[in-house]
Amino acid sequence: KQEVTQIPAALSVPEGENLVLNCSFTDSAIYNLQWFRQDPGKGLTSLLLIQSSQREQTSGRLNASLDKSSGRSTLYIAASQPGDSATYLCAPDSSYKLIFGSGTRLLVRP
Amino acid sequence: GAGVSQTPSNKVTEKGKYVELRCDPISGHTALYWYRQSLGQGPEFLIYFQGTGAADDSGLPNDRFFAVRPEGSVSTLKIQRTERGDSAVYLCASSLDLYNEQFFGPGTRLTVL
Repeated sequence: KQEVTQIPAALSVPEGENLVLNCSFTDSAIYNLQWFRQDPGKGLTSLLLIQSSQREQTSGRLNASLDKSSGRSTLYIAASQPGDSATYLCAPDSSYKLIFGSGTRLLVRP
Repeated sequence: GAGVSQTPSNKVTEKGKYVELRCDPISGHTALYWYRQSLGQGPEFLIYFQGTGAADDSGLPNDRFFAVRPEGSVSTLKIQRTERGDSAVYLCASSLDLYNEQFFGPGTRLTVL
């Protein structure tokens, strides 16, 4: 059974810092992995999808890496801004259904 | 273009009542998913449709929960004899096909009194 852990659970940083969010998963037999952000009381916004054959995916200030064999993914956020404050969720796709961690709550202070 | 929409956005009901939650996927998406999210947790998978048929309903907690997608587009999640433990946000997602990027709707917040 796939289990997903996200570290840290919460993070507070000053504006402008580069930061790394970590995701680990127990079953490496995945098809892809998605990173999402969730604002309070809202649905999930897809940020990046990394196919299992890829090592990295980039979108603007976001860069996600995937090491499938070791069961790890990281989300790198460059030059963080207050608007980046949200909960970030990673979800490996195990047989088409996404399995989520509990997320990392990020606060970027002005 | 239009994203995934869900209605109602909020539903308050009494214990024992029946509720229906609706999901309109992105046009042309063949795959549709339901998830449930409790406070402070990540979403949990409930059921997945490919076309009209439920391909995997292994996440439904018990037989009070049922979902349909009769024409391969709109889906309805039905909960009978609601219990206070059913209170959560119910999220719907769709994707172009299997193993593609999933796009989520805003969710329906269900409160059972």
